[in-house]
Amino acid sequence: DTEVTQTPKHLVMGMTNKKSLKCEQHMGHRAMYWYKQKAKKPPELMFVYSYEKLSINESVPSRFSPECPNSSLLNLHLHALQPEDSALYLCASSPFGGENTGELFFGEGSRLTVL
Amino acid sequence: QKEVEQDPGPLSVPEGAIVSLNCTYSNSAFQYFMWYRQYSRKGPELLMYTYSSGNKEDGRFTAQVDKSSKYISLFIRDSQPSDSATYLCAMRSLTGGFKTIFGAGTRLFVKA
Repeated sequence: DTEVTQTPKHLVMGMTNKKSLKCEQHMGHRAMYWYKQKAKKPPELMFVYSYEKLSINESVPSRFSPECPNSSLLNLHLHALQPEDSALYLCASSPFGGENTGELFFGEGSRLTVL
Repeated sequence: QKEVEQDPGPLSVPEGAIVSLNCTYSNSAFQYFMWYRQYSRKGPELLMYTYSSGNKEDGRFTAQVDKSSKYISLFIRDSQPSDSATYLCAMRSLTGGFKTIFGAGTRLFVKA
């Protein structure tokens, strides 16, 4: 079983809604990630937090807003999304936050549908 | 040219077969190599994590890295229908930090 827990597993929202995706890990990992995955495609990196600080934003539209309240938690706030944002959103963590981050462990994902 | 090339398949084999999954890459700086298994509508599960060249075995799975040829493989022995999934290779350089580069994934079907 994965030790990265994501909620909710499924989310349906309208284009005017505000919702959040949540991720939690208790492995003591120092880096946490958000990825987006479309059907039959590999995961695409969105954001990285290292030691609770935002380290990477891969030019993601501002309608996606990440937050790292502490070293175990990662949120992704969603607002005014478009139907093309429908995808599987994956949270991941890695042991280290420096140059050599170690293995990447993924959660089960949150499947988002935007109507 | 993509940094990592992986045949998307699908690859269909009978139960009990030895499966060979492969990736090639162009960046000689890659040092860390990973294989993930992803079932439909689930997150990727880390199967193997290797550093530099050589072989690593874990149960029915063997990962091989040939850095001179820029080629990595995952072998699955005695394949089972439960192995039916998409297999993603992934790699990272020593100084790549947070950037893990994924292959496209190979869809595998193991027929009972």
